[in-house]
Amino acid sequence: SQTIHQWPATLVQPVGSPLSLECTVEGTSNPNLYWYRQAAGRGLQLLFYSVGIGQISSEVPQNLSASRPQDRQFILSSKKLLLSDSGFYLCAWSPSSDPQWAFFGQGTRLTVV
Amino acid sequence: GEDVEQSLFLSVREGDSSVINCTYTDSSSTYLYWYKQEPGAGLQLLTYIFSNMDMKQDQRLTVLLNKKDKHLSLRIADTQTGDSAIYFCAEWGNTPLVFGKGTRLSVIA
Repeated sequence: SQTIHQWPATLVQPVGSPLSLECTVEGTSNPNLYWYRQAAGRGLQLLFYSVGIGQISSEVPQNLSASRPQDRQFILSSKKLLLSDSGFYLCAWSPSSDPQWAFFGQGTRLTVV
Repeated sequence: GEDVEQSLFLSVREGDSSVINCTYTDSSSTYLYWYKQEPGAGLQLLTYIFSNMDMKQDQRLTVLLNKKDKHLSLRIADTQTGDSAIYFCAEWGNTPLVFGKGTRLSVIA
């Protein structure tokens, strides 16, 4: 069966520090991958999605970037965190054959101080 | 762009029915979903409805879709304290899943 892993579960980082959040999927190949952010009062916002290695679509211009170095690995990064980057980050995957079915990881709670 | 709106809070007594409403703007939406998020956790797909359906029932859950008004609702019968969570409405249309801001359901014992 397919599983999705996200880590770390919680993270506290100072303003100006770099960020790297990792997401991996097991049990499937060539998944579509997504990064969402849930900020207080703003619901779930799609940040990036990828349909293949090296293919990244950005939905919202901001202080973050994403990379997909391997088929089942999706990384969210920042060179210098801002206070406004605080939030709950969720990774998701969906089968490329049925992209409308998305499955979510357990999320990373990021607090920028 | 696409937009999904839902009320932010709902409070019901245990045993009563809960109805969570949602409106969306993308007329090309093919699937509409309800996700549940328990505290500190990821999202769990609760149920969904295909755009050519009006209603779907799954045990205590009933989804109603009014495609003309672009209105979706989720009814939870016999609401239990374990149903306390945030419920997200979402649509799949021209872009990957677009979510509403979520409705926080509080169940009072």
